[in-house]
Amino acid sequence: DSGVTQTPKHLITATGQRVTLRCSPRSGDLSVYWYQQSLDQGLQFLIQYYNGEERAKGNILERFSAQQFPDLHSELNLSSLELGDSALYFCASQRGGPYNEQFFGPGTRLTVL
Amino acid sequence: SQQGEEDPQALSIQEGENATMNCSYKTSINNLQWYRQNSGRGLVHLILIRSNEREKHSGRLRVTLDTSKKSSSLLITASRAADTASYFCAINNAGNMLTFGGGTRLMVKP
Repeated sequence: DSGVTQTPKHLITATGQRVTLRCSPRSGDLSVYWYQQSLDQGLQFLIQYYNGEERAKGNILERFSAQQFPDLHSELNLSSLELGDSALYFCASQRGGPYNEQFFGPGTRLTVL
Repeated sequence: SQQGEEDPQALSIQEGENATMNCSYKTSINNLQWYRQNSGRGLVHLILIRSNEREKHSGRLRVTLDTSKKSSSLLITASRAADTASYFCAINNAGNMLTFGGGTRLMVKP
């Protein structure tokens, strides 16, 4: 158990819908990262937050957004969902500097029908 | 695009044998991390090796790093059926995101 929690574990929805994925980092970790894992693209970095502020952006679509709240939990919002958004979404948290280990949550499996 | 590339893509061995997986990358790095993922589950952090380190051990795991060749290897000694998983290397060079390779699928037969 990494100490990072993600909810829900599974999400099934329809095209065009909007969903919110939630992540709670390990106690004391200020950084939260979001990654997407799909069969065709592999594991890709989406976005990072540090203590409530966006720090880095990767291959995140404009239909996707995220935020980190004062209690340090983070939410990833996916809107206008398409079939290709079906994937595993992971968050990871990190303590200290940006060159330290990232600890991953169990992921949310999103299926768009 | 994925910077790290694992080799082989798949590996099948008998329990008790050693498993070696390789990772090659293209740019300079600050560190390289290895992760394990059981089917459809979260990634478990195994080892972080920094660019000024050449070798690290953790239990039955041994990681080497050759920055001149831009490559790393993960050795699992005396493998067990429970080691069956996908193994990923991840490059940290920009201080934020990790860039993952495509992974090596390891099957350890009892």
